[in-house]
Parts: sequence; C-alpha cells; structure tokens
Amino acid sequence: DAKTTQPPSMDCAEGRAANLPCNHSTISGNEYVYWYRQIHSQGPQYIIHGLKNNETNEMASLIITEDRKSSTLILPHATLRDTAVYYCIVRVYFGNEKLTFGTGTRLTIIP
Amino acid sequence: GAVVSQHPSRVICKSGTSVKIECRSLDFQATTMFWYRQFPKQSLMLMATSNEGSKATYEQGVEKDKFLINHASLTLSTLTVTSAHPEDSSFYICSARHPGGQEAFFGQGTRLTVV
Repeated sequence: DAKTTQPPSMDCAEGRAANLPCNHSTISGNEYVYWYRQIHSQGPQYIIHGLKNNETNEMASLIITEDRKSSTLILPHATLRDTAVYYCIVRVYFGNEKLTFGTGTRLTIIP
Repeated sequence: GAVVSQHPSRVICKSGTSVKIECRSLDFQATTMFWYRQFPKQSLMLMATSNEGSKATYEQGVEKDKFLINHASLTLSTLTVTSAHPEDSSFYICSARHPGGQEAFFGQGTRLTVV
C-alpha cells in the first residue's frame, strides 16, 4: 500500500469546517483513498473513501486532487465530538484487505 | 454500518496467565478478521490476519505461539495472549470487512493490563 503523509496535529474552532490534508504522491491507479478516525480509547471508525471523484456522505466530504497525489477530508461543521485522530490510508479496492495505519492527524476541536 | 463487537472491553490479569479476547461480527459473516495492537500514543499495528477455517497469518515479529488466533466460525475470532507479561499490556483491536462493501469495521477494542 502507498504511504501517506499527514500533519501530526491540527486545531479547529467548534462550528467551523475542519480541513484535514493528506499527501499520497506514490498512489497507484488502482488504489483508493480511505479515511478513518479514532476517538480516544475506541476502535477506528470508517468515515469515507474515494478513487478520483469528490465524495460526500453524512459525515464528511472527500476532495481528491486531479493528479490524485493529495486529498482533503472536510468536516463541514466540527463539533467537540469530532476530536479524534484521523487516519488517511490508501489501498487497492479489491484483494489485499489489511489496512496499514500511519501516525494520523490529531484533530482537536476548540470550544 | 455493520457492527463488530469485542469482549471484554477491559481486562486485568496476572503475569504468566492467559487471556482470551473475542471478536464477533454481529450482523454479517466475515471470512477474514484482523487483529491490531496499539501502544499508548502510537498508531495501530497489524498483528495477524485471521481466516475462517484455516491458520492465521502473522505479521513479521509477532510470535504465533504467544498470540493464538482461532477463527472457528464466520462470526467469531478469538485472540489468546498466552503467558502474558507486563510488556503485553496494550490496546487490542479487531476488524472485519463487510462482504457487501470495502470498508472495514472495527471492534471497540480491549485494553489489557498485565500486572
């Protein structure tokens, strides 16, 4: 699986949009971008995934650059419950199912 | 989303004893489950891949005789930490992929403390 680079930490004011960047410059054509988050002392939670088009669900939006070398996860209206470590992972859609976690971004929502 | 449940959520055991952790997929069948370990302030590290009806596949550096994995049914995988030592104290997490999708679902984790 391709490696990803994320900032170690970020702060965001409550109610504002939280934009979490991820670089994956060595991503292959058949690899998807996945985002998970881990709230303290819990198992990771799936957020969203995408290949090349922007994606949106009830939790977040995923913006992938045209060259697919980077992406941004957007939490449109951050709440205190969004404080967590966010992991960006790239992997093939089919086949190898294991997820390789990097160090992630520790997002802190400020009241 | 699909539900993966782990039990117990927290366990304290004496050094030298064994501890079993269960991972269940509650509303789907999982032919493959994964076991991770997470030390404080670190990321998740994959320990092994659990395959229903066959032997688990262990990652490099993980002792298969110490971390016994059994995947006897399509909804249950167990991890047994044998002859536990204080350095085995960690947060253990399992995951499984829903056959209808590609996202993985994780259990709530088990915090093991060996005293």
